[in-house]
Parts: sequence; C-alpha cells; structure tokens
Amino acid sequence: QKEVEQDPGPLSVPEGAIVSLNCTYSNSAFQYFMWYRQYSRKGPELLMYTYSSGNKEDGRFTAQVDKSSKYISLFIRDSQPSDSATYLCAMTFKAAGNKLTFGGGTRVLVKP
Amino acid sequence: DTAVSQTPKYLVTQMGNDKSIKCEQNLGHDTMYWYKQDSKKFLKIMFSYNNKELIINETVPNRFSPKSPDKAHLNLHINSLELGDSAVYFCASSLRSGQEAFFGQGTRLTVV
Repeated sequence: QKEVEQDPGPLSVPEGAIVSLNCTYSNSAFQYFMWYRQYSRKGPELLMYTYSSGNKEDGRFTAQVDKSSKYISLFIRDSQPSDSATYLCAMTFKAAGNKLTFGGGTRVLVKP
Repeated sequence: DTAVSQTPKYLVTQMGNDKSIKCEQNLGHDTMYWYKQDSKKFLKIMFSYNNKELIINETVPNRFSPKSPDKAHLNLHINSLELGDSAVYFCASSLRSGQEAFFGQGTRLTVV
C-alpha cells in the first residue's frame, strides 16, 4: 500500500462545474500538504500549500485538510478548459528533511 | 526568467552510455532535489542537497551520482545507462526552512 493514495481518474467535468479532488494518507507524521498542477510534458507547478487542518482559499481554489481522517481535498470552482491537467497531492514533515511524498496524480479534463 | 532550469530537455541515448543532466535555480533557495517520474506519472525523490551537502539519498543505484558545485546548481550524472532508467527527471528547489518545492520543466530521458 502506498503512503499517499490518489484516484488516477480521468475525471471529466463540464466547464463551470466544481472539480473535487482528494488524497488519503497513512503516515500520521505528515504535517505539510501541497497541491501541484502538472500540464502534459511540463514540470509540476505549486498551487496550494497548507500546514494545518481546515480550509485555505486562493481564488478559485480551496484546499482542505482533515488530519484526524488523514484526508486532504482540493476544490476548483468555475472550472475552465485551461484547468485540464494532472493534479498531484504531496506531503512532508520536518523530520523527513522536506522530502515530498506524492500521490499518483488525478487527470482532470474540463470540457467546453 | 526561469526559476529552476534543467538541460537538456530531451535526452535519447544508448544502453551503457554515461550522461549528465544539469540544473540551476535563481530563487536563492538553499535546498535542491532530484525527483524521478516514471511512465505511470509517479514522482519519487532521489536526492536532496542543502547548501552543497547531501541530506537525502533514497534507494537509488550508485550509477546515479549527484553533484552540487554550489547551492544554485545540482547536476545528476548517470553511468552505464539501462533501459529502466528511461523516465522524466525533475530538479526542484526550496528553502531549507520551507516545505514548498519549485520544479523545473523536466528532462525526458529515453534509453534505447
């Protein structure tokens, strides 16, 4: 079993819909949580960073962390075709030397 | 200005050859990383350097040798390339005190 699990998708939604992504993890030591967006043949781009349970909002993006359930989510409101990409969750803790452990990524397709 | 840049972007080479990938960051970060992304898009850390000092060395064959001449550069040399080394290699950087890593555009290595 992987330390971080993420549904590979693909997740197909119509333009304007809310995209809901999530990851579960098994290591309770994880303290810091990130979401990256990766377009085809590009490097991962940092979207959101959180370090506590609760919600964090940035524009159309909301990141949610529930440490008690070992579950994190990313919501994308008013999705656009340009949001079509693979979304990767990543997490780490201080004693890990900031080594990121990634989920396998969820491919998202927003249809016009 | 590119924050984390890698060269080359594409590398096609024969089995048994030795090759190097170069990485430079202009973000003023003191920690740099090499990650490998396999054909299933799974990203996994290989090495981490902090201020030219190796701090993370995952279970990677010793044919892979990272070298950091200064804190803005981290190169990856691979000896005796094998078919299974084909993957996309990403360089990343972060602040030692921070957890968010910023990635380069990747080097797509194909061993034939």
